[in-house]
Amino acid sequence: GAGVSQSPRYKVAKRGQDVALRCDPISGHVSLFWYQQALGQGPEFLTYFQNEAQLDKSGLPSDRFFAERPEGSVSTLKIQRTQQEDSAVYLCASSSPGDWTQYFGPGTRLLVL
Amino acid sequence: AQTVTQSQPEMSVQEAETVTLSCTYDTSESDYYLFWHKQPPSRQMILVIRQEAYKQQNATENRFSVNFQKAAKSFSLKISDSQLGDAAMYFCAYGTGTASKLTFGTGTRLQVTL
Repeated sequence: GAGVSQSPRYKVAKRGQDVALRCDPISGHVSLFWYQQALGQGPEFLTYFQNEAQLDKSGLPSDRFFAERPEGSVSTLKIQRTQQEDSAVYLCASSSPGDWTQYFGPGTRLLVL
Repeated sequence: AQTVTQSQPEMSVQEAETVTLSCTYDTSESDYYLFWHKQPPSRQMILVIRQEAYKQQNATENRFSVNFQKAAKSFSLKISDSQLGDAAMYFCAYGTGTASKLTFGTGTRLQVTL
């Protein structure tokens, strides 16, 4: 089947704009993760969903970051009032019950000018 | 908090040769999982190999194998018979369960030369 997809693949935003990043996990995958990957760094955890429940949001850097997964499938990561330090690649990953492997999407590269 | 350290920012290997990438981690957990992921330029992250901490036997996947030293908290990746397609960023990662966030190292950029 299809892998994890993310849209848009690239996003340029002016400082202060709101952005929404979408993740379509693999069908049937219960767990969904968001990571932020700054240039030249490893991914850093942002938040985790199990079905529609957001069980861990300890990695969200500020209250400008908000994520949702209302029907337990597609997830949206929203960043309000974007700032230059938000520029990064945002990765989404999903996994099925009992599987330790997380399957990553291609990422959304966000550039805030 | 768990940390993952990759002390080699860049490595280079000749085609058909063998290279070892280093990773150390710190945790107080007794049961956990370790992973090596590959991220080619502008392409998505894929799993290369994984190891359960409770297993003493080192994991192998074709040309990729690990040297897992639990007491030393070391988890190195060996790539044998290197190919041009192995050129990528390699990230070591740690997780504590099937629904656990991953903690990544800073990565090692592997170059493969002719």
